[in-house]
Amino acid sequence: GAGVSQTPSNKVTEKGKYVELRCDPISGHTALYWYRQSLGQGPEFLIYFQGTGAADDSGLPNDRFFAVRPEGSVSTLKIQRTERGDSAVYLCASSLDRFTGYTFGSGTRLTVV
Amino acid sequence: AQKVTQAQTEISVVEKEDVTLDCVYETRDTTYYLFWYKQPPSGELVFLIRRNSFDEQNEISGRYSWNFQKSTSSFNFTITASQVVDSAVYFCALTEGAGNQFYFGTGTSLTVIP
Repeated sequence: GAGVSQTPSNKVTEKGKYVELRCDPISGHTALYWYRQSLGQGPEFLIYFQGTGAADDSGLPNDRFFAVRPEGSVSTLKIQRTERGDSAVYLCASSLDRFTGYTFGSGTRLTVV
Repeated sequence: AQKVTQAQTEISVVEKEDVTLDCVYETRDTTYYLFWYKQPPSGELVFLIRRNSFDEQNEISGRYSWNFQKSTSSFNFTITASQVVDSAVYFCALTEGAGNQFYFGTGTSLTVIP
């Protein structure tokens, strides 16, 4: 596709449940990033992939969060035992390399009730 | 410590007025990159500009201009003759030469009143 696609656009889940958020980057972009944006805040870094490997996962808040990118294209962010504090917009971005401007997707709004 | 500070939380201007959005950054790296992104109500972050730390030349793109001053660690963004379509949240961001992540400011919400 022409842009970064994120699905679902909205997700409501109950506290304690498991969720998966999907990101389809721009074709050919080897760098992929996940960010989390809470209300009224700027995006905060979660994890960066270069190809299939997680080159930097220092932003993941705890071990309930995990992300994969098995074939170097689509990525899935997985959150186990969701908590209300996980409610936020999860943004995915891709770029040709880490020095160029990212292209962001529209995000997945996660609400944990 | 916050690496990127956008002190203006909200700004309202009347259409056709000029408006400047402030951004102050903090880094010890000599190589770094500064960005501005626009986030309209749809939520998608739209890339506006990237500057590297070695290029202090100001840039103009249509009604947009950017003033990069290393002496004051600022990278301010001016919109000339603002339009209603400029209404959005604007984020300034920094990436350091050795790092992989963007550090975003908290954003400035701009409302242009017709």
